[in-house]
Amino acid sequence: EPEVTQTPSHQVTQMGQEVILRCVPISNHLYFYWYRQILGQKVEFLVSFYNNEISEKSEIFDDQFSVERPDGSNFTLKIRSTKLEDSAMYFCASRRDTRETQYFGPGTRLLVL
Amino acid sequence: SQQGEEDPQALSIQEGENATMNCSYKTSINNLQWYRQNSGRGLVHLILIRSNEREKHSGRLRVTLDTSKKSSSLLITASRAADTASYFCATDARRDDKIIFGKGTRLHILP
Repeated sequence: EPEVTQTPSHQVTQMGQEVILRCVPISNHLYFYWYRQILGQKVEFLVSFYNNEISEKSEIFDDQFSVERPDGSNFTLKIRSTKLEDSAMYFCASRRDTRETQYFGPGTRLLVL
Repeated sequence: SQQGEEDPQALSIQEGENATMNCSYKTSINNLQWYRQNSGRGLVHLILIRSNEREKHSGRLRVTLDTSKKSSSLLITASRAADTASYFCATDARRDDKIIFGKGTRLHILP
């Protein structure tokens, strides 16, 4: 069964460094999303992406964040200058159609020191 | 906010018993989904129910949706130790919108 994959599974970085989190959505899906979950808290929406542009973004998704679909398969989330409070699990999700289920990847656990 | 809120926050039951979790939301929705998350792991999609559906089954799972009360329930029958996890409901309202997660119910199945 096709699934969303994410790399790396874990990343440790120093405050102020740039990180890029990578996702490979399910191949025939057209809608892509990033969410994050701070430890012990609920899953929060960051950004949605369709037709090579951002559809919607949350207040969390400020100028330090960006997304890109550099080729036909990858979908990346970049954090330009990480802060301590960016430490969280980051989930990528995709779906074929807006009426269908969003399928989530296994997540990248980011720790900012 | 269309946020879903689960109830109870935590639930412990004996293996073999049924577990019922509830979710309430505030605005009109297109779909409501239930996800499972094992501790520190990814989100596993369990079931999607559309706003024009009232009940849906998948294996030992039964989901109901009452749009007049803006609520949903997830029933897990004949619970097993492997069902120990957090369960989240998530709602989406518009065609290209994000989904909004509730805080989840932590389910613990006792041996």
